[in-house]
Amino acid sequence: GESVGLHLPTLSVQEGDNSIINCAYSNSASDYFIWYKQESGKGPQFIIDIRSNMDKRQGQRVTVLLNKTVKHLSLQIAATQPGDSAVYFCAEKEWLSQGAQKLVFGQGTRLTINP
Amino acid sequence: SAVISQKPSRDICQRGTSLTIQCQVDSQVTMMFWYRQQPGQSLTLIATANQGSEATYESGFVIDKFPISRPNLTFSTLTVSNMSPEDSSIYLCSVETRIQETQYFGPGTRLLVL
Repeated sequence: GESVGLHLPTLSVQEGDNSIINCAYSNSASDYFIWYKQESGKGPQFIIDIRSNMDKRQGQRVTVLLNKTVKHLSLQIAATQPGDSAVYFCAEKEWLSQGAQKLVFGQGTRLTINP
Repeated sequence: SAVISQKPSRDICQRGTSLTIQCQVDSQVTMMFWYRQQPGQSLTLIATANQGSEATYESGFVIDKFPISRPNLTFSTLTVSNMSPEDSSIYLCSVETRIQETQYFGPGTRLLVL
C-alpha cells in the first residue's frame, strides 16, 4: 500500500541553529499535509499544514515546503530552542471510499536540541 | 482548536480484562477517531467513530476487540477487550470540525498490560 515515510529517524542540532525535517510520501493523490509535534508523555500537537496547491507555507519560526514533483515534504524550524526537542510526524490525508478520509502518518523524527 | 480530554490518562491492567477509554470534546465536532501508538512507533488509525451508527474499522482492527461508542457529537469511548501484553500502547482520540480539516489530538491514554 502507499505510505508516508521519513528519511531520518533522529536529528540533533545546536540551540539557535535551524533544523530541517524531511518526509517522503507516495500517494500522488494526497492534497493535504500536516506536521505534528509530540513531546514525551503528550498527544501530537498540530504545528502547520499545507494544501497541495501551495509549495510553501510559513508560521511562527516554522516553514513547510511541499515538492509535488518528487513527493517530498519538509519542516524547517528556525532558531531552535530547547522546547523544540520532540518527535515530529508528517501526515497526509488519504481519501477512502464513500468520501471518507483518514490520516496516514510517517515514522517520525526525533529532534534533539543541544545546549 | 477544540479542547480534548481523555480518561484515564494511564492504567495498568491484567491480561484477559477489558478497559474502556473515554474521549470528551468541549465543542461539537463532525468526526472523531481512535488511534493506537505502540511504544516508540508512529500512529495507526483503529477506527472512525460515527455518531449514531457503528464505527468504521481499519484493516487489522475488529469490533469484537475494540468496540467503540459515540452517543453524541462531543463524546466517544473505545474499549480494549480481552487484553494481552501486545495491547500495551498509547491510545489517542482525535477530532475534526466542519470548519477545519486538521485533526486535533487528545493527550492519550497510556496502557500497560501485564
